[in-house]
Amino acid sequence: QSALTQPPSASGSPGQSVTISCTGSRSDVGGYNYVSWYQQHAGKAPKLMIYEVSKRPSGVPDRFSGSKSGNTASLTVSGLQPEDEADYYCSSYAGNNNLVFGGGTKLTVL
Amino acid sequence: EVQLVESGGGLVQPGGSLRLSCAASGFTVSVNYMTWVRQAPGKGLEWVSVIYTSGSTYYADSVKGRFTLSRDDSKNTLYLQMNSLRAEDTAIYYCARRYNTNWGIQLWGQGTLVTVSS
Repeated sequence: QSALTQPPSASGSPGQSVTISCTGSRSDVGGYNYVSWYQQHAGKAPKLMIYEVSKRPSGVPDRFSGSKSGNTASLTVSGLQPEDEADYYCSSYAGNNNLVFGGGTKLTVL
Repeated sequence: EVQLVESGGGLVQPGGSLRLSCAASGFTVSVNYMTWVRQAPGKGLEWVSVIYTSGSTYYADSVKGRFTLSRDDSKNTLYLQMNSLRAEDTAIYYCARRYNTNWGIQLWGQGTLVTVSS
């Protein structure tokens, strides 16, 4: 199973919005509404930010939102804050009890 | 407190074996879908395996036939038996709990480092 495609980096200034894309295929992103997004600070375990394309777990700020169009999912971070600087990973169910992750995007808050 | 604590990582030679443990507290492993995810040094996340409440297990192609996921309900603990280890298995291994209704991974352990090297 091939990894999902994410841009290696993204950046924005405090208060701005940034969108990170996650491109797969009809076999994963396009075929299921089981896209999740994770935030990982250096040296820490990942944290779930979005599940089922656009749902936020309790405690995740509403500045984080998710969407999907065709084979591409997106994570938008609005009102960027310094603590948002981290690596972000998407994942998608890929059928046959398999999960695939994206390569990760390093978000820099300028 | 709801948490997962992994142990058992370390240095092992290529072709060797290692067993990772994941002790859960604050919830019951047997009624949850549990999974392992790994991350090679400086690299991205890679899904490894899942065990369902039924006890059924599934694996990524990269570890199929070499890794075995099991659980001990009396100890509320997961085990990942890793055999025929290769250099490319070097990674931090995270034990995690996913939602039962979707593939969102909602709870992660702190991870344990496995290094495969001679």
